[in-house]
Amino acid sequence: EDQVTQSPEALRLQEGESSSLNCSYTVSGLRGLFWYRQDPGKGPEFLFTLYSAGEEKEKERLKATLTKKESFLHITAPKPEDSATYLCAVQAVGYSTLTFGKGTMLLVSP
Amino acid sequence: DAGITQSPRHKVTETGTPVTLRCHQTENHRYMYWYRQDPGHGLRLIHYSYGVKDTDKGEVSDGYSVSRSKTEDFLLTLESATSSQTSVYFCAINEPSYEQYFGPGTRLTVT
Repeated sequence: EDQVTQSPEALRLQEGESSSLNCSYTVSGLRGLFWYRQDPGKGPEFLFTLYSAGEEKEKERLKATLTKKESFLHITAPKPEDSATYLCAVQAVGYSTLTFGKGTMLLVSP
Repeated sequence: DAGITQSPRHKVTETGTPVTLRCHQTENHRYMYWYRQDPGHGLRLIHYSYGVKDTDKGEVSDGYSVSRSKTEDFLLTLESATSSQTSVYFCAINEPSYEQYFGPGTRLTVT
């Protein structure tokens, strides 16, 4: 059974204070690892897909990295508008479905 | 934004009544999914469809049925709503091997 564990559950940062969110996973064979952002009252918004260990992707202040056991979402010099819940999900080879973690709620204070 | 709409956006219903939620897409994507999201559980897959009339169960399918009679619409039915089905329901779509895109959600309360 595929499993995804995200930590921490919640993270409070000051504006400009860089940090990382963790996504640990177990999957029979990884086809892809996905990061989403979710604002309150809205559906998840796609951020990144990572396919193989060593891969990195960036978007504005966010950078996602992947190893064989975990992924990190690095947030550099965050702004209050980065406040959201960040979700991680994995897709196994041969399957179309995703297994999601419970998310990390990020709050960035001015 | 991906062309996904969900209706209704909010619904309050009584225990024991049937409820149908609708997901409509304008992207002509092959795959459609229904999830529920609850505090402490995250997003959990209920059912999904890989084509017209082709559906399969997800992790939490008990008490739910689905139908897809045309590419653009995927219906989720709660046959006899229970309080444990109070949740936020999300629809998602994708083409095979690509990321899923989510709708705005339906907040369902069963009293």
